[in-house]
Amino acid sequence: KAGVTQTPRYLIKTRGQQVTLSCSPISGHRSVSWYQQTPGQGLQFLFEYFSETQRNKGNFPGRFSGRQFSNSRSEMNVSTLELGDSALYLCASSFQGINTEAFFGQGTRLTVV
Amino acid sequence: TQLLEQSPQFLSIQEGENLTVYCNSSSVFSSLQWYRQEPGEGPVLLVTVVTGGEVKKLKRLTFQFGDARKDSSLHITAAQPGDTGLYLCAGARGGATNKLIFGTGTLLAVQP
Repeated sequence: KAGVTQTPRYLIKTRGQQVTLSCSPISGHRSVSWYQQTPGQGLQFLFEYFSETQRNKGNFPGRFSGRQFSNSRSEMNVSTLELGDSALYLCASSFQGINTEAFFGQGTRLTVV
Repeated sequence: TQLLEQSPQFLSIQEGENLTVYCNSSSVFSSLQWYRQEPGEGPVLLVTVVTGGEVKKLKRLTFQFGDARKDSSLHITAAQPGDTGLYLCAGARGGATNKLIFGTGTLLAVQP
């Protein structure tokens, strides 16, 4: 069974640009969550999607957005990039809808210059 | 506000030693998960504990969930260099969400 796939693995962007990251969950998993990991703040929750609906959102500015498609694949978008957005962005998928184990992808390393 | 505090933050030990990592909170969690993460990779799930007082063993790793479901510990017996990595605890509050609240992390280095 394939794991969680995130693309791309690495990205370098310039301040002010926007970026879209992609996540394909484990087959059969309907819940996808996104996290930002930085050395200073650790792993912080961005948002969660279940059956194409955003079910929960963390404390991030509106520049961070996401969506989920009917095949459960998810994308997150960051607009007007800032230097502080440089981080490892992690996607996690879960099988059932409520309070279950999360399986993470390898992440996308975003560097904003 | 960091809801889950891990200690110690850093740990460097020799192969064969034992160690314990703690994960503490003032909040109650419906379940708690432990992950290990290697540089540049995503966290890998080690175990999930659900019941207060629960103890789970995974080879040389022993996980315990506090009776009040506010804290947890990870004990490694006879550590090996392959145990090196960042250990993260993560709590779930329950309800209709898979949101996890992550701990501050413990960076473990096991020297051969």
